[in-house]
Parts: sequence; C-alpha cells; structure tokens
Amino acid sequence: NAGVTQTPKFRVLKTGQSMTLLCAQDMNHEYMYWYRQDPGMGLRLIHYSVGEGTTAKGEVPDGYNVSRLKKQNFLLGLESAAPSQTSVYFCASNPRSGAGNTIYFGEGSWLTVV
Amino acid sequence: SQKIEQNSEALNIQEGKTATLTCNYTNYSPAYLQWYRQDPGRGPVFLLLIRENEKEKRKERLKVTFDTTLKQSLFHITASQPADSATYLCALDPSGGYQKVTFGTGTKLQVIP
Repeated sequence: NAGVTQTPKFRVLKTGQSMTLLCAQDMNHEYMYWYRQDPGMGLRLIHYSVGEGTTAKGEVPDGYNVSRLKKQNFLLGLESAAPSQTSVYFCASNPRSGAGNTIYFGEGSWLTVV
Repeated sequence: SQKIEQNSEALNIQEGKTATLTCNYTNYSPAYLQWYRQDPGRGPVFLLLIRENEKEKRKERLKVTFDTTLKQSLFHITASQPADSATYLCALDPSGGYQKVTFGTGTKLQVIP
C-alpha cells in the first residue's frame, strides 16, 4: 500500500521556468492538500481539493495553480518559478472532512529555484 | 493574530525518562488540537487528536493534555527511546476541517542512549 506518493522528490529550477508536482494517493480519499514547509515556519496550506474536479485556495495560493482531474491525483503547478518558492512541498490526503479522521502526508518534494 | 508557539530549541533527554513538549497558542479558540511526528527528510505523521472538551488523551506511551484556559497543550512520551528522536509538531483546528488547521514550527526531541 503506497499511501501518498509525490514526484519528483528533488528539483532545481531556474527563475521563470515552469513545473508540475504530482501527488497520487491510493486510499480513495476525497480530500487532498498541498502544503509548503519553510524553516522557522509551520506547514502552510497552498491549495486543497474536497473532491474530483474541485479546488480551493488555501493560505498562500499566489504563484501556484492546481488541478484534480482524477480523484487519486492532485497536481501543483508553478507557472513562473521565483526564488521565494524554494521550499519543501508536501501533499496530504484524508477520507472526508471532520475531526478524528487521520491525514496522511507524502514524503515531500524539495524544490530549489535559482 | 493567531499564534502557535513551540519551543524552537531542541529538547535533549536521557533514554527511559519522560519527555514533555509544550504547545502554547494565542488569539485562537481551537476545537481540536493535533500532534504529529516528523523525521528528517520525511512527511509529518499524525499521532494524536484531542478535543477541546477532553482534558487528556493517551495512546500507548504517549499522553496529551489540553488546557483551554491556559491555552496550552503538553505532549508526553514516557519511557523515551532513541527511536522517539524526531521533530514533533502541534496543530490547531478550529472546526474539524484540515483546510483551516494551523501548524506550529515543531520541537526537535533527541533521546540520548
């Protein structure tokens, strides 16, 4: 059982380049999330999805776009990368809303923008 | 503004002792409080959730307390082991939906053999 899988794990981009991070979950979860984690700051929510075909903005959505065309996949796109987007990105999923249901995180994607 | 404070300094503790980590918050009324473990280079792993009307919750060697008057949660690991060494994050949830959860920066625990 793979859980939540993120690809790629590491990537170096030049300023202005675009890229897509892929998150796949095999647990049939409805909810999926993209977070970024920076030194000295807690995890911050970028975008999330409450089901196939839906997306919504989180706390720090600027500079990112997302798509959830299939229930098991949640894509995070950077259209024009900036050095401020250097970070570790985590995807997560959980079966439904409401407290008490466990959220599962992926292993992370390390992105450096030079 | 809402603020979560976890001790940014690492906590070093001898194997076998009880480790106690603190999570304080201000300008917040969470309905739920969560604790996660994060190992270097890995994603966070959910450990425990406690509701605002619960004073204490236990899971194996873990114990969490939640004092809404003091606006504080304590996370205890009894009989600590070197394998417990990791960073522990607390997170506050106002409503039971992860889209509104606020995460702390974490406290690094080192258990010394």
